[in-house]
Amino acid sequence: SQTIHQWPATLVQPVGSPLSLECTVEGTSNPNLYWYRQAAGRGLQLLFYSVGIGQISSEVPQNLSASRPQDRQFILSSKKLLLSDSGFYLCAWGTGNTEAFFGQGTRLTVV
Amino acid sequence: AQSVTQLDSHVSVSEGTPVLLRCNYSSSYSPSLFWYVQHPNKGLQLLLKYTSAATLVKGINGFEAEFKKSETSFHLTKPSAHMSDAAEYFCVVRQDSGTYKYIFGTGTRLKVLA
Repeated sequence: SQTIHQWPATLVQPVGSPLSLECTVEGTSNPNLYWYRQAAGRGLQLLFYSVGIGQISSEVPQNLSASRPQDRQFILSSKKLLLSDSGFYLCAWGTGNTEAFFGQGTRLTVV
Repeated sequence: AQSVTQLDSHVSVSEGTPVLLRCNYSSSYSPSLFWYVQHPNKGLQLLLKYTSAATLVKGINGFEAEFKKSETSFHLTKPSAHMSDAAEYFCVVRQDSGTYKYIFGTGTRLKVLA
């Protein structure tokens, strides 16, 4: 069966520090991969999606970037975090025939 | 471009009474639609999905939703609310053309009163 791993679960980082969140998927090949952010009291905003290795599409201009170095690995990064980067980050995978499957999320607090 | 509008940010019901969470969608294509639930500090769980088969979709925990193309709606219902239904609910449309992006509504927080 397919599983999705996302880590860490919580993270507290100072302003100006770098960020790397990792997500890996098992049990499926060539999935579409997604990064979402959920700000407090708001819905999920699609940040990035990827349809294949090295193929990244950004949905909103921001301080973050994403990479997909392997078929089932998706990384969210920042060179210098801002206070406004705080939030709940969710990785997901899906295909044309499935719903989106979500990881358990990373709660990022920038201080 | 696809989008969803969840008409109520908060809904309160008494335990044992019906639940109605409203969702309208906009889509250039025949949409795939989903409802997810999120309990506090948890990930998202799929409740049900519509993918152009039966218009009345049954999901987990007694929830169901009806796809109405003429009204561009996909409202979520449950005959009798339980305390454990208190959570945030998201209506989602998937763009079924090329990229398969999942677009979320802003969510409806359901409160169940004893």
